[in-house]
Amino acid sequence: GGIITQTPKFLIGQEGQKLTLKCQQNFNHDTMYWYRQDSGKGLRLIYYSITENDLQKGDLSEGYDASREKKSSFSLTVTSAQKNEMAVFLCASKTGYNYAEQFFGPGTRLTVL
Amino acid sequence: GDQVEQSPSALSLHEGTGSALRCNFTTTMRAVQWFQQNSRGSLINLFYLASGTKENGRLKSTFNSKESYSTLHIRDAQLEDSGTYFCALNTGYQNFYFGKGTSLTVIP
Repeated sequence: GGIITQTPKFLIGQEGQKLTLKCQQNFNHDTMYWYRQDSGKGLRLIYYSITENDLQKGDLSEGYDASREKKSSFSLTVTSAQKNEMAVFLCASKTGYNYAEQFFGPGTRLTVL
Repeated sequence: GDQVEQSPSALSLHEGTGSALRCNFTTTMRAVQWFQQNSRGSLINLFYLASGTKENGRLKSTFNSKESYSTLHIRDAQLEDSGTYFCALNTGYQNFYFGKGTSLTVIP
């Protein structure tokens, strides 16, 4: 078994601010993901990474940067927070080149004032 | 258009009853994963299946690649089953496409 941790749990920022969210996993999984979930909606993919230093854009990558510093960690940066933005950012991981399930972290809830 | 359509969008069940949630797919199906999102927002893994049927307690999921759908059956619903249920279509090793979810309320 393993666990995915996300920090911070709650993030409050100002309009135009650069904000960074962090994700760590101890599953030893190759692939990691960042999703955004707006209130009452489904999950949309922002970025994913299949190995250290790899980055792949999802449908929602505009306005975000990501960094896979090492196998166990994956960071997401909101490059310029938008006023009234409120969403939950979910990190996930899975094993690499096979069909297998994703595991999710508890999420970071973002509020922009 | 959306590759994954979930139905119904919302459902109310009395305790002890059951129902089925459905995901229809419009693209190649390799596997499907089902999650429950609880009141704290955590996504709990329920099933991952690439064929056939899996069962776990009061939950059962089926995968029909020929007709491009998957179902999640809940029987003997309990209050703790309330939440939002998502299916995610796994189309390639790395790619998952999520439906918009079914919001389930279990009524005492």
